[in-house]
Amino acid sequence: KQEVTQIPAALSVPEGENLVLNCSFTDSAIYNLQWFRQDPGKGLTSLLLIQSSQREQTSGRLNASLDKSSGRSTLYIAASQPGDSATYLCAVRTSYGKLTFGQGTILTVHP
Amino acid sequence: GAVVSQHPSRVICKSGTSVKIECRSLDFQATTMFWYRQFPKQSLMLMATSNEGSKATYEQGVEKDKFLINHASLTLSTLTVTSAHPEDSSFYICSGGTGDSPLHFGNGTRLTVT
Repeated sequence: KQEVTQIPAALSVPEGENLVLNCSFTDSAIYNLQWFRQDPGKGLTSLLLIQSSQREQTSGRLNASLDKSSGRSTLYIAASQPGDSATYLCAVRTSYGKLTFGQGTILTVHP
Repeated sequence: GAVVSQHPSRVICKSGTSVKIECRSLDFQATTMFWYRQFPKQSLMLMATSNEGSKATYEQGVEKDKFLINHASLTLSTLTVTSAHPEDSSFYICSGGTGDSPLHFGNGTRLTVT
C-alpha cells in the first residue's frame, strides 16, 4: 500500500526566504507526482505535475524535483511571499489513476 | 483548462437526513471520478472510484450503503450521504479524468451534520 509522508508538518518563515518542502513515498511504481496548494476551506490548486520519467518541473518561483528510485520529491519555493501561505499537498498517482495524498505542510509566510 | 463543478459548496443538514453532492465535468468527459473526504487538519482520503456506467469501487472501511455513488454519464457523478450523522461532517471533494490524463478537482463541499 502506497504511503506518502510530508515533512515538515508546519513551517513558519519570514517573507523573502527560500524554502523546501519534502515528500516521500513508499512505492516507487508511480505514474506521476503532483504538488497542490490548498487554502483554508477551499479546494485544490494544482501547482506542478512531474511525470515518472521526469526529474523536475518549474513554474515561476516554484521548482519540484522527483527522485523516483529513492521515493522522494521536493518542492522549492523561492523568495516566499505572504500570499504563499497555505497547505501544500503532495500526491502520487498509480497507473490506475488513484492519487494518494500526504498529510500536507502548513506554510505560513509572515511579513 | 478543464473544470469540474462541484455543488453545493456548503451544506448543513440534520442528523438522519440524506445529502446529495454533484460533480460535473464542464468541458471534458470524465470516464473516472474519484471521491475524497478530508477531516479537519488531515489529508485527503480516497473514498471510492467510479467509472461511468459501472458500480463504484469503495476503499476499505468506507460503507457503500451509506455513501451512494452514481456515475451515470460522462459528465456527472453524484455522492449521496445517506442517514447522515455528525461524524460524517467533513470536506468532500471529487476529481475526474479520462484515462491517464491529469485529474481535475472540484472545489469541494463542506458538510456539517447537526
